[in-house]
Amino acid sequence: GAVVSQHPSWVICKSGTSVKIECRSLDFQATTMFWYRQFPKQSLMLMATSNEGSKATYEQGVEKDKFLINHASLTLSTLTVTSAHPEDSSFYICSARDLTSGSSYDTQYFGPGTRLTVL
Amino acid sequence: AQSVAQPEDQVNVAEGNPLTVKCTYSVSGNPYLFWYVQYPNRGLQFLLKYITGDNLVKGSYGFEAEFNKSQTSFHLKKPSALVSDSALYFCAVRSSGSARQLTFGSGTQLTVLP
Repeated sequence: GAVVSQHPSWVICKSGTSVKIECRSLDFQATTMFWYRQFPKQSLMLMATSNEGSKATYEQGVEKDKFLINHASLTLSTLTVTSAHPEDSSFYICSARDLTSGSSYDTQYFGPGTRLTVL
Repeated sequence: AQSVAQPEDQVNVAEGNPLTVKCTYSVSGNPYLFWYVQYPNRGLQFLLKYITGDNLVKGSYGFEAEFNKSQTSFHLKKPSALVSDSALYFCAVRSSGSARQLTFGSGTQLTVLP
């Protein structure tokens, strides 16, 4: 089945530093990937849609200069949290949609998530 | 606009008993419906989906869901619950007629008691 990986799985950083999170589709190509944020015991909040070869589309209220998204290839999207602050601490999850034929068609697959803690 | 409602924050069931996790949706056009499961500190795992065809959809780990168009529901079911089924379950929807992103419900914490 379709697999999405994320790296790192957890990261602790100091306030003011930047953190990069990678999202990879391992066995399929994803022209579109999605970045979510999840607070404890809450649902997923879509932050942005990452499109290969073009600018990401951000949801209302998400600062594009703070959460930089780059979708450099059909299998890799990165989210960089710039000048991180304690309020950015959260669980960040990426996903990708498999648009190839077969039973996985049009299903969105999720990475295992990245736990970010900003001190 | 599309939306999903999971009316129960918490569902408790005894091991071996049937379980149901409820989901209702609102979407323009034909719905694409999904169920995902999340274990602590993990991403979401795909369980099953309804795109078209039979209203009863079978998925991973013995789960199934029934699409009911008149009631706009897509309840998740399993005939016999296992303790290992304890997790957070999310229902999601998007319209077939657009490239819109999935909209998730608020999640239901399922606890299966031994």
